[in-house]
Amino acid sequence: QVQLQESGPGLVKPSETLSLTCTVSGDSISSYYWSWIRQPPGKGLEWMGYIHYTGSTKYNPSLKSRVTISADTSKNQFSLNLTSVTAADTAVYYCARDPGGNFQVHHWGQGTLVSVSS
Amino acid sequence: QSALTQPRSVSGSPRQSVTISCTGTSSDVGGYNHVSWYQQHPGKAPKLIIYDVSRRPSGVPDRFSGSKSGNTASLTISGLQAEDEADYYCSSYAGSYTRGVFGGGTKLTVL
Repeated sequence: QVQLQESGPGLVKPSETLSLTCTVSGDSISSYYWSWIRQPPGKGLEWMGYIHYTGSTKYNPSLKSRVTISADTSKNQFSLNLTSVTAADTAVYYCARDPGGNFQVHHWGQGTLVSVSS
Repeated sequence: QSALTQPRSVSGSPRQSVTISCTGTSSDVGGYNHVSWYQQHPGKAPKLIIYDVSRRPSGVPDRFSGSKSGNTASLTISGLQAEDEADYYCSSYAGSYTRGVFGGGTKLTVL
């Protein structure tokens, strides 16, 4: 059974870079699509982007200039970097597996709350 | 890409059935059969309950069913139970550029 676990700072200052890592167990990231999805408090879900096991990436056009997703296959981890954060980036961040690459998330991490505040 | 349109809230009594709609466009819901539904309890991660319009992952009760007509997908929950009270989100694939879009979410209250 695949399991995903997010890790990273829970507090980031405005204008700085938010960095999170997702550690995957029970499956290899050298297959499928691996995504980041976020949810501001009390609001809906927003897909941020994915990385494919080939290394190709795709990002939400609304975030494209600020987001980078990378992978470390030796550690079976993938990561999210979001630059120039503001309070609007305060959210629960989920890492997730989309096996078919068709925007259907079969497995989710438990999520981690990241607050942007000085 | 605009979010898919869902009702803000629906409600039903135990043992009744409720249906949640999810309206998109021909560029997403109407154009692909990759519509999925997620159940989210407070403080928890979403859980996939329907994918490919009407398929259920292993372990999801058959009380949950999905369908699609044109640009609108629907989730029906029959035999409502107290534990079904949650937020429900739909999503749809929208092509290789945009990738996909979520609905705004529907709060289900079991009376």
